[in-house]
Amino acid sequence: GAVVSQHPSRVICKSGTSVKIECRSLDFQATTMFWYRQFPKQSLMLMATSNEGSKATYEQGVEKDKFLINHASLTLSTLTVTSAHPEDSSFYICSAPLSGGENIQYFGAGTRLSVL
Amino acid sequence: AQTVTQSQPEMSVQEAETVTLSCTYDTSESDYYLFWYKQPPSRQMILVIRQEAYKQQNATENRFSVNFQKAAKSFSLKISDSQLGDAAMYFCAYRAVRYSGTYKYIFGTGTRLKVLA
Repeated sequence: GAVVSQHPSRVICKSGTSVKIECRSLDFQATTMFWYRQFPKQSLMLMATSNEGSKATYEQGVEKDKFLINHASLTLSTLTVTSAHPEDSSFYICSAPLSGGENIQYFGAGTRLSVL
Repeated sequence: AQTVTQSQPEMSVQEAETVTLSCTYDTSESDYYLFWYKQPPSRQMILVIRQEAYKQQNATENRFSVNFQKAAKSFSLKISDSQLGDAAMYFCAYRAVRYSGTYKYIFGTGTRLKVLA
């Protein structure tokens, strides 16, 4: 199946710093990627849809200036958590749909962010 | 708005036995896709099985099968001959068929499956 690589898998940072998370589709092109946030023992909540070459579409309640998304190429989307605070600590997951037919989403392995 | 409901927060099954996980959804669309994803302790989301709404035949993937009842908006997952490796969080997901663009998934709240040796 298609492979989506997400890096880093874990990051610990101090409050006030910015953290960048990368999501790469390794063997297919993805004009669209999705960013999710998952709290412990909860479901995946869609944060935003990343669109190659255009602005991301954010879900209601998600701060655009807090969670910066850049989809610079057909294989790479980045999520930057700016001025991170402890409440931003969470598990972040990206996914990319394989175009054609069912557009099944393939997921990265996730990034655990801990803000001290 | 579409919603996905998983009413079983946790289920247990004896190894080699069969278990069924429930999922119901609400939509006004006539064509859509339904998925079951597995999230083991590693947190990697893995596609288990998928169903296209226009297909009446229930999808099957080895030990995994679904019971898709379109009129009842029900999409349950049956795991036969349960194995220890099946222990995970299982999420039901819905996606509308949108020819012009977005492929957003809507996830249920998940069911944690424990497999007892």
